[in-house]
Amino acid sequence: KAGVTQTPRYLIKTRGQQVTLSCSPISGHRSVSWYQQTPGQGLQFLFEYFSETQRNKGNFPGRFSGRQFSNSRSEMNVSTLELGDSALYLCASSFGTSGGQETQYFGPGTRLLVL
Amino acid sequence: GNSVTQMEGPVTLSEEAFLTINCTYTATGYPSLFWYVQYPGEGLQLLLKATKADDKGSNKGFEATYRKETTSFHLEKGSVQVSDSAVYFCALSDPNTDKLIFGTGTRLQVFP
Repeated sequence: KAGVTQTPRYLIKTRGQQVTLSCSPISGHRSVSWYQQTPGQGLQFLFEYFSETQRNKGNFPGRFSGRQFSNSRSEMNVSTLELGDSALYLCASSFGTSGGQETQYFGPGTRLLVL
Repeated sequence: GNSVTQMEGPVTLSEEAFLTINCTYTATGYPSLFWYVQYPGEGLQLLLKATKADDKGSNKGFEATYRKETTSFHLEKGSVQVSDSAVYFCALSDPNTDKLIFGTGTRLQVFP
């Protein structure tokens, strides 16, 4: 069974640009969550999508947005990039039907560098 | 609010030494608890989990027991290997959502 895949793996952008990251969940999983990992703030929850609807949201500015397609693939978008957005962005998938007891399976991440 | 506290790293051990990484949590309700491991340049891999009090999660020689009375989920391994060198994250899952709340991570370095 294929794992969670994320594209691209590495990305370099400049301040003010926007970026779109993609995540394909494990087959059969309908929940996709996004996390930001930085040395200073650690791992922080961005948002979760289930059946094309945002179900939970973390404490990030509106420049961070996402969406989910009917095949459960998800994208996240960051507009007007800032230097502080440099991070490893991880997505995780799960069935999404058992509340907090389910295991989330993580992809390898997209490393974004903002210059 | 919900939170996870892990011991500061790095933890430096010789091969075959005993490992303990402490993790305590604060949560309302009954969260599930997880240990994830991150190898250099990779994402997170689930190491083990426990979904209710007194459950013991185990995998690849690692163990952790969900202790509600002490709100702890300490990770242990009887004999570490060089290949165990990685960053270990303790996490809890909000009982009402799929949101994971992570500790700061503990880097383990094992030397031959």
